Amino acid sequence: ILNVEQSPQSLHVQEGDSTNFTCSFPSSNFYALHWYRWETAKSPEALFVMTLNGDEKKKGRISATLNTKEGYSYLYIKGSQPEDSATYLCALNAGNMLTFGGGTRLMVKP
Amino acid sequence: DVKVTQSSRYLVKRTGEKVFLECVQDMDHENMFWYRQDPGLGLRLIYFSYDVKMKEKGDIPEGYSVSREKKERFSLILESASTNQTSMYLCASSPAARRQETQYFGPGTRLLVL
Repeated sequence: ILNVEQSPQSLHVQEGDSTNFTCSFPSSNFYALHWYRWETAKSPEALFVMTLNGDEKKKGRISATLNTKEGYSYLYIKGSQPEDSATYLCALNAGNMLTFGGGTRLMVKP
Repeated sequence: DVKVTQSSRYLVKRTGEKVFLECVQDMDHENMFWYRQDPGLGLRLIYFSYDVKMKEKGDIPEGYSVSREKKERFSLILESASTNQTSMYLCASSPAARRQETQYFGPGTRLLVL
């Protein structure tokens, strides 16, 4: 079983703050790194799929970077809003399955 | 739009009962997955299937079985429910095995076993 770790486990920020969190994973047998957002009472929703070392992806105020050599990815949220409150999951694809991290639960206070 | 539906959002069962969790996807995806989610542990893979009548064990298959009689439907079965199977269960699907492929999730079934 691969070890995918996310930190911090939870995070409280004020509206307008920028924030970031980390996903670390074993760098051998890397194929892709996925980020999902999971809002309460909804389905997890795909944010990014990252495949190349040095990849940087952006969707509105959310962006992600990937370092496959050292085995980490960062997710950044610029100017957090209450609607960004969710659990953010990363998942490593090192074969044909996804191995998920424990998630970072973000709460944005108005 | 990909749609993955699960038969129940909330379910309460008693220890020893047989429990069926149903999942249906409408996008003709080959791959289907069952996960459970517990606080601090992320999603853990129970079983997956790459084709009709095909199943593979994931990381935590003990106490579960699955059935895939039709391409669009993947069922998770708890033969004799136990309290340690109280959890959130998520179904997902994805197109044929390309390694970067995104998985699409259902809304989850929160199961309580008393």
